[in-house]
Parts: sequence; structure tokens; C-alpha cells
Amino acid sequence: EPEVTQTPSHQVTQMGQEVILRCVPISNHLYFYWYRQILGQKVEFLVSFYNNEISEKSEIFDDQFSVERPDGSNFTLKIRSTKLEDSAMYFCASSVALAGSETQYFGPGTRLLVL
Amino acid sequence: AQSVTQLGSHVSVSEGALVLLRCNYSSSVPPYLFWYVQYPNQGLQLLLKYTTGATLVKGINGFEAEFKKSETSFHLTKPSAHMSDAAEYFCAVSHGNNQGGKLIFGQGTELSVKP
Repeated sequence: EPEVTQTPSHQVTQMGQEVILRCVPISNHLYFYWYRQILGQKVEFLVSFYNNEISEKSEIFDDQFSVERPDGSNFTLKIRSTKLEDSAMYFCASSVALAGSETQYFGPGTRLLVL
Repeated sequence: AQSVTQLGSHVSVSEGALVLLRCNYSSSVPPYLFWYVQYPNQGLQLLLKYTTGATLVKGINGFEAEFKKSETSFHLTKPSAHMSDAAEYFCAVSHGNNQGGKLIFGQGTELSVKP
């Protein structure tokens, strides 16, 4: 069964450093998402992406964040200058379509720790 | 604005007992409702979803949920708990107007199953 994969599974970085989190969505999916979950808190939407453009972004997704589909398979989330509060589990998801009824398939997550 | 409330961050049941995980939502438009499960060190997996039609929805692993518009609820049930059901369960809502795929999650309920 096709699945979303994410690398790395864990990443530790120093405050102020740039990190890139990588995701490989399901191959026939066209819509991609990033969510994050700070320890003990809700899973929060960050951004949705389609056709090489951001479809929607949350208030969390400020200028420090960017997303890219650098090739036909990868989807990345970049945090330019990490802060302590960026420590969280980051989930990538993909779906066939953008409609609210579509199922989003989630990857296993990348646990980011900013020191 | 849409929101989801899951009553009870931790629920403990005995093996063979009824599982009931509560979810209430707030939405100004007809909602699409989802239940996801997260096993340790894995991503979120869809259990079931309600879009339109029959209000009683059956999912994987013997789970089902009923959409009750009058109560703004979408509670998850399983008649007989199994040890393998121990996991974290997330209720989520998305727009019912086909204008976005953003999922809004509840805070999650951790289910433990006692032998």
C-alpha cells in the first residue's frame, strides 16, 4: 500500500540554524500539507500546497517557513532560523484532491528538537 | 471558525469493554468529520470519515461513529476493545464547502486497554 514517507525521523539543531524537513507524498497525489504538533498540544495545520503554489497557510506559517517541491517526488519544509518554540513533531500529508471531503494520508513525522 | 473538542485526554477501558471516545465540533458550514488513530512512532491513520449521506459511518478495525447534527457530535465507538486498540485518537473537521483541505484537530484522546 502506498504511503507517505518523511526524513529524517528525528533532527536536533541549534537555535538560529536552518532545517529542511523532507517528505515523499503518495505518487498520484497532487495536494500536499504540513502540520505540526508541539508536545502535549493539538495537531496544527501549517500549509497546503498545489501546483507549485501555496493554497492556504496558517498564522503559524510566517516568513521563517517555506515549502518547495524541488522535483517530482519530494516536498520540503524549510525553517530558516529555528527558534526554541519550533520544537515539535512535523507531519507531512498528501491527498488526491483539495476538497474538504478528501482523505489526507499522513507520514510518520519528523521530531524536531531545537536547542 | 471551526473547532473540535475531544472530551477526555485519557480513556482507560478493560479488554472486551465498550470503547466510547467523544468528539464535538463547531462549524458554520456543513462539516466533514474524520477520526484518525496514531500508534506509537507512526503517522496518523484514517479510521473513518463522514462526508454526506448515512450518518452512521463504519471504519476499520471495528470502529464506527455517528454524526449527530443536533448535538454537533461525532463520537467514536467500538463494541469490544482489544489490546491492539491502545493508541491516540484524533477527531478532525474540515470545510464542507470544497474550498480547502485544512484539517482542524481536537487535542486527542489516549486510549489504554487493560487486560
